[in-house]
Amino acid sequence: GNSVTQMEGPVTLSEEAFLTINCTYTATGYPSLFWYVQYPGEGLQLLLKATKADDKGSNKGFEATYRKETTSFHLEKGSVQVSDSAVYFCALSPFGNEKLTFGTGTRLTIIP
Amino acid sequence: DARVTQTPRDKVTEMGQEVTMRCQPILGHNTVFWYRQTMMQGLELLAYFRNRAPLDDSGMPKDRFSAEMPDATLATLKIQPSEPRDSAVYFCASGFGTGVRNTEAFFGQGTRLTVV
Repeated sequence: GNSVTQMEGPVTLSEEAFLTINCTYTATGYPSLFWYVQYPGEGLQLLLKATKADDKGSNKGFEATYRKETTSFHLEKGSVQVSDSAVYFCALSPFGNEKLTFGTGTRLTIIP
Repeated sequence: DARVTQTPRDKVTEMGQEVTMRCQPILGHNTVFWYRQTMMQGLELLAYFRNRAPLDDSGMPKDRFSAEMPDATLATLKIQPSEPRDSAVYFCASGFGTGVRNTEAFFGQGTRLTVV
């Protein structure tokens, strides 16, 4: 079946530090890959996505590259801010339907 | 500003009572999802509709849960009877799907359910 394995949290970084949150997946065929972000008390919001191998999704300084050879979609940001504190979810949607399978989420806290 | 609207935002109920959660998807979207979020299980897909037809409800306990779309502007999730283990945040999401690729799923703010 389809699954997403995410880096365990929580992660605490100082402001302006470099961020990496690892994500690997298991799926048949060519899934679409997503990163969602959840701020306290809110629903999930799409942060970025990639739909085919070697695509790079980017938004708000965050980036992730679809690596089929390593079945990975790691999230990176060069310089994090306090406002980036949230829970980040990696997800996939298999080719052929719209169902999203989520990872367990990684709680990120940025300290000033 | 289009958004998915869920009501109520918070619900506290006694064990055994019926609970109904409502969702208004974004106008024009044809797919609707119901997810449950708990600390232990994370995000679980309960049900999924396309063009108001249920495509997958395998994640939903059938004996007490039911999900429907009476029309394109309303999706409901009912629990009868409710149990303390149903306490969770329930999210509705909508999107536009073709059955081939998923477009972005837009999430509502969730209904926090507490069963005492």
